Amino acid sequence: GAGVSQTPSNKVTEKGKYVELRCDPISGHTALYWYRQSLGQGPEFLIYFQGTGAADDSGLPNDRFFAVRPEGSVSTLKIQRTERGDSAVYLCASSLKGSGSGYNEQFFGPGTRLTVL
Amino acid sequence: ELKVEQNPLFLSMQEGKNYTIYCNYSTTSDRLYWYRQDPGKSLESLFVLLSNGAVKQEGRLMASLDTKARLSTLHITAAVHDLSATYFCAVDLYNDMRFGAGTRLTVKP
Repeated sequence: GAGVSQTPSNKVTEKGKYVELRCDPISGHTALYWYRQSLGQGPEFLIYFQGTGAADDSGLPNDRFFAVRPEGSVSTLKIQRTERGDSAVYLCASSLKGSGSGYNEQFFGPGTRLTVL
Repeated sequence: ELKVEQNPLFLSMQEGKNYTIYCNYSTTSDRLYWYRQDPGKSLESLFVLLSNGAVKQEGRLMASLDTKARLSTLHITAAVHDLSATYFCAVDLYNDMRFGAGTRLTVKP
């Protein structure tokens, strides 16, 4: 079956612009996560959705970052007024958490490499 | 503040040798995961450890979890070049996972 997909794979933008990153989770996975990975670092948690609602958005660095998952499947991470420091790989993951699964093994997408010039 | 510390961060080893990567964490959790990441690629799940004393093995890799010591290990037996990658441990905090900084493994012939 299909894994987690993310589009675009690469995004280059200019400082101050708005970007949207899309994540398509594994079918049937109710939980969806966004992470940010800077070069040489481990993934850093941004936000977690259970169904349509953001169950935990404590990792979003500031109010320029926002994410939605209106129908409980596809999610979009939105970044306003991008800054050079936002440059990173943005990873999406999904899991069966909350669907009767006893644990939270997350399956990751290929990521979107965002470069802010 | 929760800390997930891996060591070593960089590991260069000869083919055929054995080595252990350590993952220490500073909070109570009985669920820990190991992932592999190849350059420019996403994360691939290797092991899911769900209880104290859990041990999982796959090929030349074996992972274990000691929740009392808040320590997980990833043991490499008779390393081969194909194992070259970055390995991450991640602690399950219910709503999210906290990752270590990763161990970049290079296996040389």
